[in-house]
Amino acid sequence: GIQVEQSPPDLILQEGANSTLRCNFSDSVNNLQWFHQNPWGQLINLFYIPSGTKQNGRLSATTVATERYSLLYISSSQTTDSGVYFCAVNSGYALNFGKGTSLLVTP
Amino acid sequence: EADIYQTPRYLVIGTGKKITLECSQTMGHDKMYWYQQDPGMELHLIHYSYGVNSTEKGDLSSESTVSRIRTEHFPLTLESARPSHTSQYLCASRPPFGTGFNEQYFGPGTRLTVT
Repeated sequence: GIQVEQSPPDLILQEGANSTLRCNFSDSVNNLQWFHQNPWGQLINLFYIPSGTKQNGRLSATTVATERYSLLYISSSQTTDSGVYFCAVNSGYALNFGKGTSLLVTP
Repeated sequence: EADIYQTPRYLVIGTGKKITLECSQTMGHDKMYWYQQDPGMELHLIHYSYGVNSTEKGDLSSESTVSRIRTEHFPLTLESARPSHTSQYLCASRPPFGTGFNEQYFGPGTRLTVT
């Protein structure tokens, strides 16, 4: 299956800082999604972004499908942004997940 | 926003018990999925369904079984729970067509502990 690599694995930020999370994938995909997993374990859909750029408030994402990577930008981070961010790609019947980036935003 | 429900949210059960984790969605999605996630790890697909009476095993071997008798309902059953089954189980669904038809939506998950 498709390999998905996320970096960095862990990130600690002070409130108000900006960050960029990266997702590399090993083959062509027809779907790429970014999720935020909250401390209660629920996966929240952030972006469905097989290509191009999208923005939602303080978050934005860019996928360059031809170069097989996607970036998630978090601006003016808040403590509620803490959690694990997963990138997942789909080239067939289901999603392949990366190992995630664990983000801690401190006050 | 997706409407996909899982019950129970938390379950602590003894070894050898039979358990069924419920998953329902009210969006008319034809494709449904079960993923397993150990603490601090990525999600792995254990079962999926493309519609009523269709079920397939996923990439990660699992001793659980699933059924799809109704479009909206995709329960997962463990006939005899063991401590190795302790994990979080997440259900997901996907619409059949339309804008973003490849996008998966997840339920809140069931955190299972087998003692």
